[in-house]
Amino acid sequence: EIVLTQSPATLSLSPGERATLSCRASQTISYHLNWYQQRPGQAPRLLIYDASDRATDIPARFSGSGSGTDFTLTISSLQPEDFAVYYCQQRNMWPYTFGPGTKVDI
Amino acid sequence: DVQLVQSGGGLRQPGGSLKLSCGASGFTFRAFEMSWVRQAPGKGLEWISSISSTGRPTVYSDSVKGRFTISRDNAKNSVSLQMDSLRVEDTAIYYCTRVGWNAFDYWGQGAVVTVSS
Repeated sequence: EIVLTQSPATLSLSPGERATLSCRASQTISYHLNWYQQRPGQAPRLLIYDASDRATDIPARFSGSGSGTDFTLTISSLQPEDFAVYYCQQRNMWPYTFGPGTKVDI
Repeated sequence: DVQLVQSGGGLRQPGGSLKLSCGASGFTFRAFEMSWVRQAPGKGLEWISSISSTGRPTVYSDSVKGRFTISRDNAKNSVSLQMDSLRVEDTAIYYCTRVGWNAFDYWGQGAVVTVSS
């Protein structure tokens, strides 16, 4: 099973600041990495697929990069609605696995 | 618009059974793989099962293999998860998801399953 590690566990920032979230895989997964946002009480929402492609209707302030084992999600300028938990997920091999999440709070 | 509407959550005793359903609309259902993902209270996300667009193959996580069964009805645009031999650790919110762009691109609203004596 591929284990995903996310850092930091919590990121405390202010609106307008840049957020950089990391996801590391226990073995190479090429570009097969997705990112999700989950706000309290809501279902997760796909942000980025295949490491760097934005999903439908996702604002341009969200960007993803990386390949192999190291991946990054960047939020260029935090908006109030961006304070949430972010999960990475690999689809390189079964079982599909998620990271433990990074909470971005104010 | 793509919509996934779930039903069927509830409270069961350990060893019991429950069936979750998910109705899809707004897209060509028969063309997409579907999956179930769950989230235990206060915890992260766990993929548990997927089914191809045709219904075969199906895949399960080790945590539910042999106890849960995923199925779909392309004529009715629906996917289901039959959960048997329920355990306390199966307590979670269960999400129905569409697999698009090699990701879980649309999610249902979630169904709460509580397993407790």
